[in-house]
Amino acid sequence: NAGVTQTPKFQVLKTGQSMTLQCAQDMNHNSMYWYRQDPGMGLRLIYYSASEGTTDKGEVPNGYNVSRLNKREFSLRLESAAPSQTSVYFCAAREGRGAFFGQGTRLTVV
Amino acid sequence: QQQVKQSPQSLIVQKGGISIINCAYENTAFDYFPWYQQFPGKGPALLIAIRPDVSEKKEGRFTISFNKSAKQFSLHIMDSQPGDSATYFCAAAQAGGTSYGKLTFGQGTILTVHP
Repeated sequence: NAGVTQTPKFQVLKTGQSMTLQCAQDMNHNSMYWYRQDPGMGLRLIYYSASEGTTDKGEVPNGYNVSRLNKREFSLRLESAAPSQTSVYFCAAREGRGAFFGQGTRLTVV
Repeated sequence: QQQVKQSPQSLIVQKGGISIINCAYENTAFDYFPWYQQFPGKGPALLIAIRPDVSEKKEGRFTISFNKSAKQFSLHIMDSQPGDSATYFCAAAQAGGTSYGKLTFGQGTILTVHP
């Protein structure tokens, strides 16, 4: 039982490149989230999906897009990466009590 | 706008001591208050949570104290151990409305427990 799986774990991009961060959960939870973690800033919500077929902006959505492909998968896309998007990205799934997080993707944009 | 404010940013405690981390919130619609523990290189993991209808919840060495009128809640770690050294996040969520399910996090506290 893997819980929440994120791929890749590490990525280096050049400014202007695009990429998609993948997230899949096997807990059958309705809600899924993408957060970014930066030193001293805590975890900031980028986008979330309360249920399959719906997505909503969080606190810091600019420069990102998401797709809730099905109940299991929620992907985050950077269309044109910028150095300000260097961060650790976490996907989470939630149903009722507490959210379960993946191991994170460490993204560096140079 | 930071809806959940957490302090201190870092905390150093001796083994066996009590670690106390505080959070304050602004949105009175919040009705679920979890704490997460994060070790380096790992994702945050749910530690303990409380709803505003109780003033205290205890699980082992971890206790949440909640003050609804002051809009504050805190995590107490009794008999702190070196293995408790981690980053701790408070969070808040509301059950209804357009923000249903969204978890808003504090800035995090880096706890170091010296042996």
